[in-house]
Amino acid sequence: KAGVTQTPRYLIKTRGQQVTLSCSPISGHRSVSWYQQTPGQGLQFLFEYFSETQRNKGNFPGRFSGRQFSNSRSEMNVSTLELGDSALYLCASSEPVPDTQYFGPGTRLTVL
Amino acid sequence: GENVEQHPSTLSVQEGDSAVIKCTYSDSASNYFPWYKQELGKGPQLIIDIRSNVGEKKDQRIAVTLNKTAKHFSLHITETQPEDSAVYFCAASGTRSGGGADGLTFGKGTHLIIQP
Repeated sequence: KAGVTQTPRYLIKTRGQQVTLSCSPISGHRSVSWYQQTPGQGLQFLFEYFSETQRNKGNFPGRFSGRQFSNSRSEMNVSTLELGDSALYLCASSEPVPDTQYFGPGTRLTVL
Repeated sequence: GENVEQHPSTLSVQEGDSAVIKCTYSDSASNYFPWYKQELGKGPQLIIDIRSNVGEKKDQRIAVTLNKTAKHFSLHITETQPEDSAVYFCAASGTRSGGGADGLTFGKGTHLIIQP
């Protein structure tokens, strides 16, 4: 099976802009989770989607949002970008049971 | 919420020796403990995981042990090789009553360096 794919791999934006990142899960996986990775805070959970519904959410401001489509592909959106949003954004997919999560290569977002 | 502490932050071992990375967690409801390996420029790769109904799990040179009473779990890598050099992350999560798992809470990572 193909792994989790994320597009784009690299992105440069300026403060105040918004950005949309895309994730295609492993075929057959219906759960998609998003994580932010920074040198200072490490890996932090953003949210999880299952069957087009947000099922769980981490402690991030409302500027971070996401959605999932009927084919399980997911997008996350960050509005009004801040310098601190520069990070590697990782997507992980899993089957409902077991809930083992498999990560994609990430999207490297740089905010200038 | 859950808090995961990971030690050491850097570990340097001679090729062929063993490496041990330790993690503690705070939430007794956590029941799933995966370990990930992350190489430069790549996403985390699952290398082994353990659930709370098991005390130890082994896969070739890699093993994980879990002590639920003490709330700690460890990764053991034997006969280390140069390709084992990477950053290793432990994580913990629990199962929610509505189904599915909580998001993973990660440790800060251990940079494992294998000296030739």
